[in-house]
Amino acid sequence: GIQVEQSPPDLILQEGANSTLRCNFSDSVNNLQWFHQNPWGQLINLFYIPSGTKQNGRLSATTVATERYSLLYISSSQTTDSGVYFCAVETTNFGNEKLTFGTGTRLTIIP
Amino acid sequence: EAQVTQNPRYLITVTGKKLTVTCSQNMNHEYMSWYRQDPGLGLRQIYYSMNVEVTDKGDVPEGYKVSRKEKRNFPLILESPSPNQTSLYFCASSSYTRLGYTFGSGTRLTVV
Repeated sequence: GIQVEQSPPDLILQEGANSTLRCNFSDSVNNLQWFHQNPWGQLINLFYIPSGTKQNGRLSATTVATERYSLLYISSSQTTDSGVYFCAVETTNFGNEKLTFGTGTRLTIIP
Repeated sequence: EAQVTQNPRYLITVTGKKLTVTCSQNMNHEYMSWYRQDPGLGLRQIYYSMNVEVTDKGDVPEGYKVSRKEKRNFPLILESPSPNQTSLYFCASSSYTRLGYTFGSGTRLTVV
């Protein structure tokens, strides 16, 4: 099956810093999403981004589908940004639009 | 508000006692699925449903059942829970118009 790798696995930053999270995937995908899992375990949808660039406030994402990677940028980090960030790619197999998740990047923002 | 609602959020149960985790979405989505999240193993798909009365196994279906009698509801049934089913469970839904997946808030299940 498809492989999804995220880097770095862990990231510790001071409040106000910027960061870039990377997601590489091994095969063509229908779609890609970025999620934030907060300390309470909830998965919050950040971006639905099969290709191109999107921005939402301090967060932006870019997916280059032809090169099989996506980047998530977080600017001016806040403590509430802490948590685990997952990218998930969607593939279709006999009608099953399955999401395959990466291993995640654990982000810790220090005040 | 568009959302996927799971209940309960937390559940502690004993081995062998049947339980159901409910999932409901209000977005008229055709596609629904269940995932479990375990340390070191990530999120894995349990079952999915492409529409009413259409369900199929995902990657880790053993010990689980599902049904899709109505478009909005997709309950996960554990007929005889065992400790290895202790996990964080998520329900998700999406539309074939491809606007991405919406996840429920999760159900943390402990089987003792």
